[in-house]
Parts: sequence; structure tokens; C-alpha cells
Amino acid sequence: GDSVTQMEGPVTLSEEAFLTINCTYTATGYPSLFWYVQYPGEGLQLLLKATKADDKGSNKGFEATYRKETTSFHLEKGSVQVSDSAVYFCALSQNTGNQFYFGTGTSLTVIP
Amino acid sequence: DTGVSQDPRHKITKRGQNVTFRCDPISEHNRLYWYRQTLGQGPEFLTYFQNEAQLEKSRLLSDRFSAERPKGSFSTLEIQRTEQGDSAMYLCASSLDGLAERNGELFFGEGSRLTVL
Repeated sequence: GDSVTQMEGPVTLSEEAFLTINCTYTATGYPSLFWYVQYPGEGLQLLLKATKADDKGSNKGFEATYRKETTSFHLEKGSVQVSDSAVYFCALSQNTGNQFYFGTGTSLTVIP
Repeated sequence: DTGVSQDPRHKITKRGQNVTFRCDPISEHNRLYWYRQTLGQGPEFLTYFQNEAQLEKSRLLSDRFSAERPKGSFSTLEIQRTEQGDSAMYLCASSLDGLAERNGELFFGEGSRLTVL
């Protein structure tokens, strides 16, 4: 079945450090890939998405590229801020959009 | 506030009791989802509604669980004869069916945390 595997946390970085959170997937066909973020005390919200191979999703300085050859969708940010502290979830959806498969989440803490 | 709202935010109950959670989606959204999230895990799909029709149910949704969306607006998730293994965060999400570029824009509520003693 479809599934997502993402790197375990927690991750602690200093402000302005480079961030990578790895995500790989297993799926039939050509799913859409997403990163969701959950800030403390809030619900999950969509951070970025890519719907086909080689697409790059980007938002708020975060980027992820859909790599079909390596079945990966790694999240990157060049310079993290304290306000980026949150839990990040990688997810996939087949294009019917009826069901999303989430990874286990990676907790990020950015210290000043 | 026009986001997804869930009630109650936290429920503590004794094993064997019934509990019900309510979700009010964003008003124009015709799709509504229930997910369950346990500690250290990502959300797991439970069920999905398109308007008032329940179109898909996960195998995680045992016969003790029932979800309804009677008028295609709010939804309820009832758990009968609760067990300690039901302790989790129950998440509701809604989305707008339609354009392909909207795919993936699930709007989540803050969740209802269930603790079964």
C-alpha cells in the first residue's frame, strides 16, 4: 500500500542554519506530494505541494522537489527562524484526493 | 472565525462509555474527513464524506465507530464502548472539491483529544 517515511526527530537547529527533513514515499502511479506543518497549539496546515515529477513546491522560504527516480520529497530551507519551530509532516495523496497518507512527523526547534 | 472547529477539545472518559465528537467544517467545503493521530504518529485516515454521503471508510474504523454528516454540514464521530486503545487525537479536516490545483488543501481543525481511563 501507499506510505510515507520521514526522518525521525526531534531536530534542533540554531537560527539561520540550513534545514533538511528527508521524506521518501511508496506509492503506485503518480501521487501528489505535500508538506504540512503544525505550529504549537494549532491545527495542521498545508505548507507546500507538488503534483508531478520534477515539480518544486515552495512557500515561506521552504522548498521541496518531487523526485520520482528516488521517490523522495525532501524539505529544505536555507535559513531557519525561531518562528519555524513546529512539527512537519510529509504526505501523499493519489489524485482522487480521497485519502492522504502522512508520515510520522518531524519536530523542529530553532533556538536563537 | 471561519476555520474548522471541533468540540470538545478534550474528553476524558472511563472505559466502556460512549463519546461523541463534533466537527464544523468551513462552510462552503463539501468534503469532510476524520483522521486519528496517536502520540508520535502522523494522522491516519478514518473516513470521508462528500456532502452527506460517507464515501470511504478505513479498516481502522471498527464497528464501534460511527460517523455521520446528516445535512452535509457538520459531522459527528461517535465511539461506543470506548477502550483504552481509543485514546488519541481525533482530527477533522475539510476541503473544497473541484479544481485540480486545489487538491491537497485540507483545512484541519485543532482536534479533539480523547483519554480513556
